[in-house]
Amino acid sequence: ELKVEQNPLFLSMQEGKNYTIYCNYSTTSDRLYWYRQDPGKSLESLFVLLSNGAVKQEGRLMASLDTKARLSTLHITAAVHDLSATYFCAVDSNAGNMLTFGGGTRLMVKP
Amino acid sequence: DGGITQSPKYLFRKEGQNVTLSCEQNLNHDAMYWYRQDPGQGLRLIYYSQIVNDFQKGDIAEGYSVSREKKESFPLTVTSAQKNPTAFYLCASSIDPGTGWDEQYFGPGTRLTVT
Repeated sequence: ELKVEQNPLFLSMQEGKNYTIYCNYSTTSDRLYWYRQDPGKSLESLFVLLSNGAVKQEGRLMASLDTKARLSTLHITAAVHDLSATYFCAVDSNAGNMLTFGGGTRLMVKP
Repeated sequence: DGGITQSPKYLFRKEGQNVTLSCEQNLNHDAMYWYRQDPGQGLRLIYYSQIVNDFQKGDIAEGYSVSREKKESFPLTVTSAQKNPTAFYLCASSIDPGTGWDEQYFGPGTRLTVT
């Protein structure tokens, strides 16, 4: 059974600081997705990582995938308040596009 | 505009009643999914369908039922057998699981409250 763990579960940081969210998963997969969710809202796709060593960047967010270590990171550079949200990683089980989601990281960026 | 619509946005029901949540997409996607999200938690897969007239149980299918009579529509019924139905329900779709490009796109969600 595929298990996906994110840490930290909650992150409070000051504007302008850098930080990394980690996503570990338990079985082989080469497809990983990052989503953002604002309170009470649906999920917005941020990054799709489809191979070992994949790195994607959008604004202050950068995601990477290491399939050998079964680890993805979401790095936040010079955080701003607008990045406050819950971030989920999701891993494809390689069996019919079934995604297993991590528990989410709730990020709060303080002025 | 292409997208996924879910209705209603909020739904209130009495315990013991069945309720059906709507999910429609005009993205011409083959696959559709239903997830449940509880407060402060991640998403858990209820059912998914890769083609019309076919669907499979996810991790928490007990107390739920679905149908896929049309490519565009994948309604979810929450039955009275579901012990804790109050949750946020999200529908998603993806192009074709067999192509290798299987990013899932999510609808706006339905918040169901059962009292």
